[in-house]
Amino acid sequence: AIQLTQSPSSLSASVGDRVTITCRASQGIRRGLAWHQQKPGKGPKLLIYDASILESEVPSRFSGSGSGTDFTLTISSLQPEDFATYYCQQFHSSPITFGQGTRLEIK
Amino acid sequence: EVQLVESGGGLVQPGGSLRLSCAASGFTFSNYWMHWVRQAPGKGLEWVSRINSDGSYTSYAESVKGRFTISRDNAKNTLFLQMNSLSDEDTAVYFCARDPSSSDCLDVWGKGTTVTVSS
Repeated sequence: AIQLTQSPSSLSASVGDRVTITCRASQGIRRGLAWHQQKPGKGPKLLIYDASILESEVPSRFSGSGSGTDFTLTISSLQPEDFATYYCQQFHSSPITFGQGTRLEIK
Repeated sequence: EVQLVESGGGLVQPGGSLRLSCAASGFTFSNYWMHWVRQAPGKGLEWVSRINSDGSYTSYAESVKGRFTISRDNAKNTLFLQMNSLSDEDTAVYFCARDPSSSDCLDVWGKGTTVTVSS
């Protein structure tokens, strides 16, 4: 199975900050990567798919980039509702796998 | 509104069984592949199983193969997960999720149902 490694595992930031989360795959996955946001007690929410395509109704401050083995999720200006845990997910090959998550906390 | 609502979780003894359900609404359920994903307490996400749109194809994570069975009733817009021979390692929140293009990219998730395996 393809392993996904996210960094950092946790991150403290302030409202208005620009933050970047990275996801590295153990082998090439082309652009078969999605990013999900999860808040406590809730199910995940799809933000980005195919590495860089913004899901409908997701704010434009979220963006994704990368291909092959290295990917990034960027939030251009943090808003209070963005403090959550973020997971990358690869769907290039079965089985689906997820990164271990990045917890984004308020500084 | 597109919605997935899981139910059927609870407390079960090791070796026991449980059947989870996922009720779908707001979209044509029979057109979509569906998945189960779980999350152990304080841990990350783990894919469990998937089923194609008409129920003729299924696949499972190695950790549940031979113990769990995924199925669906398209007439009732409902997805199921039959879980047998449960162990404490199966304790988790179980989410159902929609696959919009049979590509394993998951675009809609439910809120989850909690399964606790304990004596």
